[in-house]
Amino acid sequence: GAVVSQHPSRVICKSGTSVKIECRSLDFQATTMFWYRQFPKKSLMLMATSNEGSKATYEQGVEKDKFLINHASLTLSTLTVTSAHPEDSSFYICSANLIGTGTYEQYFGPGTRLTVT
Amino acid sequence: KNQVEQSPQSLIILEGKNCTLQCNYTVSPFSNLRWYKQDTGRGPVSLTIMTFSENTKSNGRYTATLDADTKQSSLHITASQLSDSASYICVVTPYGAGNNRKLIWGLGTSLAVNP
Repeated sequence: GAVVSQHPSRVICKSGTSVKIECRSLDFQATTMFWYRQFPKKSLMLMATSNEGSKATYEQGVEKDKFLINHASLTLSTLTVTSAHPEDSSFYICSANLIGTGTYEQYFGPGTRLTVT
Repeated sequence: KNQVEQSPQSLIILEGKNCTLQCNYTVSPFSNLRWYKQDTGRGPVSLTIMTFSENTKSNGRYTATLDADTKQSSLHITASQLSDSASYICVVTPYGAGNNRKLIWGLGTSLAVNP
């Protein structure tokens, strides 16, 4: 089946620094990828839709200047958390669309645990 | 407001037993309903996807049912294994949502399978 990878799986950074998270579709091309964050015991919250070759679409309340998204190729999207703060600590998950038989199948990465100290 | 509610919130069963998880939704009209399994600290993994016209779909020991009239879905797990311990999430795609952007997520049922 389709595989989506994320790197790193865990990262600890200091307040004020930036951290980049990569999302790759390993065996398929994805024109659209999604970035979610998830707090403990909460459902996934969509942050933005990443479109290859164009600007990302951010959900309401998500600061585009803080969460920079770059979808440079059909297999790679990156999320950069700029000037990180402790409240940015969360579980970040990406997903990629694979168009199947009339349904957009969505494959998720394993997630990245970000801790900001 | 489109909502997806799951019950129970958490469940503990013994290994080898069966269990059924419930999902009630208000999303209407909708395109499809999905069940995902999410292990702790991992991304969700798709178990089943049912379109609005389907009533049931199986994936190994997992069987999902859908009643579009009552807006209810269930996920039945047969002969549970320790590895089934995870959160099971019901997700509904509103009709016309396009490319998965407008998915409506439930909070999930946390299942613990004990030996």
